[in-house]
Amino acid sequence: QVQLVESGGGVVQPGKSLRLSCATSGFRFSDYDMYWVRQAPGKGLEWVTVISYEGSKTNYADSVKGRFTVSRDNSKNMVYMELNNLRSEDTAVYYCAKARRPRYDRNPNDAWGQGTLVTVAA
Amino acid sequence: EIVLTQSPGSLSLSPGESATLSCRASQTVALNFIAWYQQKRGQAPRLLIYGASTRATGIPDRFSGSGSWTDFTLTISSVEPDDFAVYFCQEYGTSFSTTFGQGTRLEIK
Repeated sequence: QVQLVESGGGVVQPGKSLRLSCATSGFRFSDYDMYWVRQAPGKGLEWVTVISYEGSKTNYADSVKGRFTVSRDNSKNMVYMELNNLRSEDTAVYYCAKARRPRYDRNPNDAWGQGTLVTVAA
Repeated sequence: EIVLTQSPGSLSLSPGESATLSCRASQTVALNFIAWYQQKRGQAPRLLIYGASTRATGIPDRFSGSGSWTDFTLTISSVEPDDFAVYFCQEYGTSFSTTFGQGTRLEIK
């Protein structure tokens, strides 16, 4: 079955960096766009970024553009997100999520990881 | 950027009642690419509906979606105790981008 497992969260000071990872299994990873979605404590869902199935195209929410970088390694079935210059408002659970339809640029997310908590505090 | 507004913010119902949740978009959603998710406390979201009206794999038929253009609805025909959760709509008709509504909390009356 499809599995997504995030790791790399933790407590970090403002202005510092963190790298999140998402290990996947149970599907043909190289055929699917992958997303990161975050949820601040007690708040709703916020899309963060998407990376195309082959890794050539990325897009970011304005709130993280220029600070976060998504990448993937199709040989390892992994997706990553580098979080730089972190701010208190980046405190959230970060979910890795899979596109429903392969090789297509407009997708809902039919599988999600359990999330990893990033806390930005002095 | 399309903005999604969900209403009501919260809904209190008794088991067996019908629930109607609304999601309104600030502009036409291409191809009616609206999805609905259920999220229980401490869990990841679960895809319920995509393409405005298609149930995802394993979703019971008491969940149904409808709507077009800018107005979309999730209906739960007879709410069960396991259905009390937060529900989000999502627009994915914009190429390589997506947005979520702010959520509707379904509570036990």
